[in-house]
Amino acid sequence: GAGVSQSPSNKVTEKGKDVELRCDPISGHTALYWYRQSLGQGLEFLIYFQGNSAPDKSGLPSDRFSAERTGGSVSTLTIQRTQQEDSAVYLCASSSGIGAVSEQYFGPGTRLTVT
Amino acid sequence: AQSVAQPEDQVNVAEGNPLTVKCTYSVSGNPYLFWYVQYPNRGLQFLLKYITGDNLVKGSYGFEAEFNKSQTSFHLKKPSALVSDSALYFCAVRPSGGSYIPTFGRGTSLIVHP
Repeated sequence: GAGVSQSPSNKVTEKGKDVELRCDPISGHTALYWYRQSLGQGLEFLIYFQGNSAPDKSGLPSDRFSAERTGGSVSTLTIQRTQQEDSAVYLCASSSGIGAVSEQYFGPGTRLTVT
Repeated sequence: AQSVAQPEDQVNVAEGNPLTVKCTYSVSGNPYLFWYVQYPNRGLQFLLKYITGDNLVKGSYGFEAEFNKSQTSFHLKKPSALVSDSALYFCAVRPSGGSYIPTFGRGTSLIVHP
């Protein structure tokens, strides 16, 4: 079946502009995660959605970052007033949720470059 | 708080030789442990996980990992490395109770030489 998809695959933006990154999780997966991957820094957790529960936003680095998940499916990560330090690969992952110890399925990522 | 350490940024091994990629963890209570692999310009792919039971876990592509509770380790192993195994490997942990958010290590670059 279809895996996790993300768009765009690459995004170049000017400092100060807003960007939106999209994630389409695997159908039926109730859990959705956003991570940021910088060179040599591993995966930095940003936000976690589980079903209709309030998201866990504890990893968002500043109030310029926000995310929503509509209808329990597609998610959008928005970065306002981008800064050069926001340049990274943004990864989305989904899993089947609480009832099982499920592994995460990752999308290919969006490479964001802020100039 | 939970954490993962991958003490080696890079591991070099000759094709056909056994490989080990090290991972140690810290978590409250019992752990759930995962290994993922990332090929260039791709997302992470699941390799294997430990939940409970047998300490030796077998996964995809001939990889296996051994859970050692006393040493809080979950090292990834393969008996005979292939050049195509060259990639970035991530270990992750989350507690069996509580947070559903895994913590990832910084990753280990595995280079298999022909």
